[in-house]
Amino acid sequence: AQSVTQPDIHITVSEGASLELRCNYSYGATPYLFWYVQSPGQGLQLLLKYFSGDTLVQGIKGFEAEFKRSQSSFNLRKPSVHWSDAAEYFCAVGAGGGADGLTFGKGTHLIIQP
Amino acid sequence: EAGVTQFPSHSVIEKGQTVTLRCDPISGHDNLYWYRRVMGKEIKFLLHFVKESKQDESGMPNNRFLAERTGGTYSTLKVQPAELEDSGVYFCASSPRSGAGTSPLHFGNGTRLTVT
Repeated sequence: AQSVTQPDIHITVSEGASLELRCNYSYGATPYLFWYVQSPGQGLQLLLKYFSGDTLVQGIKGFEAEFKRSQSSFNLRKPSVHWSDAAEYFCAVGAGGGADGLTFGKGTHLIIQP
Repeated sequence: EAGVTQFPSHSVIEKGQTVTLRCDPISGHDNLYWYRRVMGKEIKFLLHFVKESKQDESGMPNNRFLAERTGGTYSTLKVQPAELEDSGVYFCASSPRSGAGTSPLHFGNGTRLTVT
């Protein structure tokens, strides 16, 4: 069965600093990988996705993520965070094909210090 | 386009009562999903509709949960009778095509259910 691990429950960074959120997955085949963000009172918004091809994917709001098969990782990065990036971030893996249910990690709360 | 809408946004009920959650997907999206997040846990898949048919309901916790999508438009998720462990946030999502790899999901804001 597939699984996703986000080892950091909370992360605090200063505004303007760089950010990396960790995600490790377990899946037997090539996974479909996603990062979602949930701002307070909002639904989950897709930041970026990886299906195949270039292992460095660009998303919205200046985020990027790199797929590393050897490490089973799909870490999310941003070179300079803004106060508006404070939210909860979820990594997810999908099996694709006929199995549509996404498997999510527990999420990482991002706190931005002024 | 209007996004996925869920109603109510919050619901507080007593143990043993019945609650019905509603989800209106994006117009034209045949695929509708329900997910749930219990406090401190992962967001868990509950079930998947393709139009009015249940494609996958492997994540439904037990027979106290009943999901319907009559006519293939909006969906309801009924919990009867509600138990304390049913508390959490229930998310609905929709997509135009099946396959997580081909058609990312659009999520609603969720319904926060509290069972006391």
